[in-house]
Amino acid sequence: EAAVTQSPRSKVAVTGGKVTLSCHQTNNHDYMYWYRQDTGHGLRLIHYSYVADSTEKGDIPDGYKASRPSQENFSLILELASLSQTAVYFCASSPLRDWGGSQNTLYFGAGTRLSVL
Amino acid sequence: GEQVEQRPPHLSVREGDSAVITCTYTDPNSYYFFWYKQEPGASLQLLMKVFSSTEINEGQGFTVLLNKKDKRLSLNLTAAHPGDSAAYFCAAPATGGNNKLTFGQGTVLSVIP
Repeated sequence: EAAVTQSPRSKVAVTGGKVTLSCHQTNNHDYMYWYRQDTGHGLRLIHYSYVADSTEKGDIPDGYKASRPSQENFSLILELASLSQTAVYFCASSPLRDWGGSQNTLYFGAGTRLSVL
Repeated sequence: GEQVEQRPPHLSVREGDSAVITCTYTDPNSYYFFWYKQEPGASLQLLMKVFSSTEINEGQGFTVLLNKKDKRLSLNLTAAHPGDSAAYFCAAPATGGNNKLTFGQGTVLSVIP
């Protein structure tokens, strides 16, 4: 079964501090994504990647960096955490570029609840 | 790019009643749509993947209707039960980027026993 593991599951950070959220997938998927979830906004895409050592900006990349050192691992980095980055963060993977395949969907991790104080 | 509007943000129904969640989208070329379910404190799980060639999609206890003329997608839970209490999200491929999905704002459904 497809598996996407996020760590930590929750974190409290101080304003101005550095935060790294990690994601590991054992699906052998090419695509990986970072979304943030806020009440009333659904999920918004921060960064994504389709190959190791390369990342792409999503819809709300400001204040975030991403790193994809290998196919299995994808990290989200907040260099200077701010109050507005308090949210739940989801990592996801998908196998193919074309959504038409019957098996192609997003496979989500359990999420990381980040509180910036 | 593609925009997805989802309504209502909150929905409360009694057990056995029907519940309807609606999404409107802007890109007439969208060919696939997704409904995800998020139970409290949990991650998102795929509920149904909808292809634009099919206007009526039957699931276990629910139906998804696609109206391409109005660019509207609706999730209809026919006889809601407490296990249906969750957040529901629709999603469509982002315009010009098949590898990205645009999500609706979500609907929190509460089913009262």
